Amino acid sequence: GDSVTQMEGPVTLSEEAFLTINCTYTATGYPSLFWYVQYPGEGLQLLLKATKADDKGSNKGFEATYRKETTSFHLEKGSVQVSDSAVYFCALSDGQAGTALIFGKGTTLSVSS
Amino acid sequence: SQTIHQWPATLVQPVGSPLSLECTVEGTSNPNLYWYRQAAGRGLQLLFYSVGIGQISSEVPQNLSASRPQDRQFILSSKKLLLSDSGFYLCAWSLGQGTDTQYFGPGTRLTVL
Repeated sequence: GDSVTQMEGPVTLSEEAFLTINCTYTATGYPSLFWYVQYPGEGLQLLLKATKADDKGSNKGFEATYRKETTSFHLEKGSVQVSDSAVYFCALSDGQAGTALIFGKGTTLSVSS
Repeated sequence: SQTIHQWPATLVQPVGSPLSLECTVEGTSNPNLYWYRQAAGRGLQLLFYSVGIGQISSEVPQNLSASRPQDRQFILSSKKLLLSDSGFYLCAWSLGQGTDTQYFGPGTRLTVL
């Protein structure tokens, strides 16, 4: 079945460092790909998405490119801030409304000043 | 704009007691609704989803049930809680057609003692 694999955390960075969180997927067909962020004690917020190969999703300085050839959707940010500290989840959907998102296990990011 | 509410925010219940968690969505009609559970150190697991009033699909056999008595209301229940039911419960919604993006509520932290 479909699955998502994220890099193990925690990821610890200093403020203004470059961030990469790796995400690869296994899926039949052409899934949509998502990054969600969860701040402590809160629900998940959609960070960005991409629906087809070579699409780049971006939001709040974060970017991820849908790479079909490598089945990857790595999250990047050029300069992290302390406020970016959170858990980041990569997820995929088979593109049909009303079906489940398949999530990775999440990567904890901790940014220090 | 659409908003999603969950209550209660936190709940501590003894083993064997009943459970009722509520989720409501505002600002949209005929949404798809979802219940996920997030256990400590693990990703999100889909428990139930609903594409309409009275229509419930269960993804995982368990001690829980779901109901959708109104278009924008989704309830998660149990007759007798188990220790293993502890976790963070998230409700989500998506539009009925044309998009698979899901939007999450703030969550309910359930501790079963």
